[in-house]
Amino acid sequence: DGGITQSPKYLFRKEGQNVTLSCEQNLNHDAMYWYRQDPGQGLRLIYYSQIVNDFQKGDIAEGYSVSREKKESFPLTVTSAQKNPTAFYLCASSPRGWAKNIQYFGAGTRLSVL
Amino acid sequence: GIQVEQSPPDLILQEGANSTLRCNFSDSVNNLQWFHQNPWGQLINLFYIPSGTKQNGRLSATTVATERYSLLYISSSQTTDSGVYFCAVEETSGSRLTFGEGTQLTVNP
Repeated sequence: DGGITQSPKYLFRKEGQNVTLSCEQNLNHDAMYWYRQDPGQGLRLIYYSQIVNDFQKGDIAEGYSVSREKKESFPLTVTSAQKNPTAFYLCASSPRGWAKNIQYFGAGTRLSVL
Repeated sequence: GIQVEQSPPDLILQEGANSTLRCNFSDSVNNLQWFHQNPWGQLINLFYIPSGTKQNGRLSATTVATERYSLLYISSSQTTDSGVYFCAVEETSGSRLTFGEGTQLTVNP
């Protein structure tokens, strides 16, 4: 089935630890996005990538890093510099052309601090 | 950057009732989407509607781009309609979506 797969579903981070969230899509979409959602709030953009080997910071990129080595993969690393990482993380992708930026979402990863 | 305001923030309905959710935005847009987030967190794209009116079953949406607002109508609501409804817009000069804070809808049996 075509779609966006995020893993793991739940993740726990210890103090000072870096953790990596996986996002894979088989929709052949060019653009991919990472969002953070805190309880009762909307989505805030962390990073986005419109093409392989290129990515841009969103509104809250501090403490996060990404890579885009393959079209289908856009992993997000939450570094130890992110002091408040507990949140729900959502990955999305969108195609090019007329449907540019119609975004489709994965099921999310819930990150908590131990 | 563009501002997106959704109202009401919370809405409680009895099953079978109709409702209207509103999204106001502060600048011209070339992309507006409505999403439903279910209680497990999954976001589902309901409508891509930068202008005009669309209908899909019991849901319909209208965007009046010149007046910078969009409306989402839910008719004959069901308990499965519960969740958070988000409006997201892309500025004409931009390449990313900006989300509103959402409307939390609860439909009681």
